[in-house]
Amino acid sequence: GAVVSQHPSWVICKSGTSVKIECRSLDFQATTMFWYRQFPKQSLMLMATSNEGSKATYEQGVEKDKFLINHASLTLSTLTVTSAHPEDSSFYICSARDPGTDTQYFGPGTRLTVL
Amino acid sequence: GENVEQHPSTLSVQEGDSAVIKCTYSDSASNYFPWYKQELGKRPQLIIDIRSNVGEKKDQRIAVTLNKTAKHFSLHITETQPEDSAVYFCAASLYNFNKFYFGSGTKLNVKP
Repeated sequence: GAVVSQHPSWVICKSGTSVKIECRSLDFQATTMFWYRQFPKQSLMLMATSNEGSKATYEQGVEKDKFLINHASLTLSTLTVTSAHPEDSSFYICSARDPGTDTQYFGPGTRLTVL
Repeated sequence: GENVEQHPSTLSVQEGDSAVIKCTYSDSASNYFPWYKQELGKRPQLIIDIRSNVGEKKDQRIAVTLNKTAKHFSLHITETQPEDSAVYFCAASLYNFNKFYFGSGTKLNVKP
């Protein structure tokens, strides 16, 4: 099946710093990607929809200035957690829709720990 | 937005038995219902999906049923094996839009 990668797989940072997470579709072009966060033993919560060439659309309650999303190309979306705090510590997962198969594929996730 | 409820939260079965996980959704406009399997620390993997124009779909030991009127859908796993142990998530979405709203997950434990 199609592959979606994320980088880094894990990151530890100090409170107040910003962290960028990359999501790439490796063998298909994705006009739409999605960002989720998952707390331990909990479900995936949709944060935002990343649209290539336009602004991301955020779910209710998600701060767009806190979680900056850029979808600069058909194979890359980035999520930047700005001024990270310990409560931002979570597992962040992206997904991308393969327009050829109409199937949504998930990345392996990025575990963020904010000290 | 869409609200998806899933139960049970945990399910323990003996190897060879069947397992059933149920989900309900709130938005009658939702028309695509995938099921994902997630092993600890790994990405969710699509195992089966169903669209609203179909009432049932089967793939070997896995089947999904959909009742549009009642707004619920279920995952059925027959002849369970220890490697089926994982967390299973249902989701609902508007197919063309593709925003997934996930259920809370079911931790399935298959005992050898």
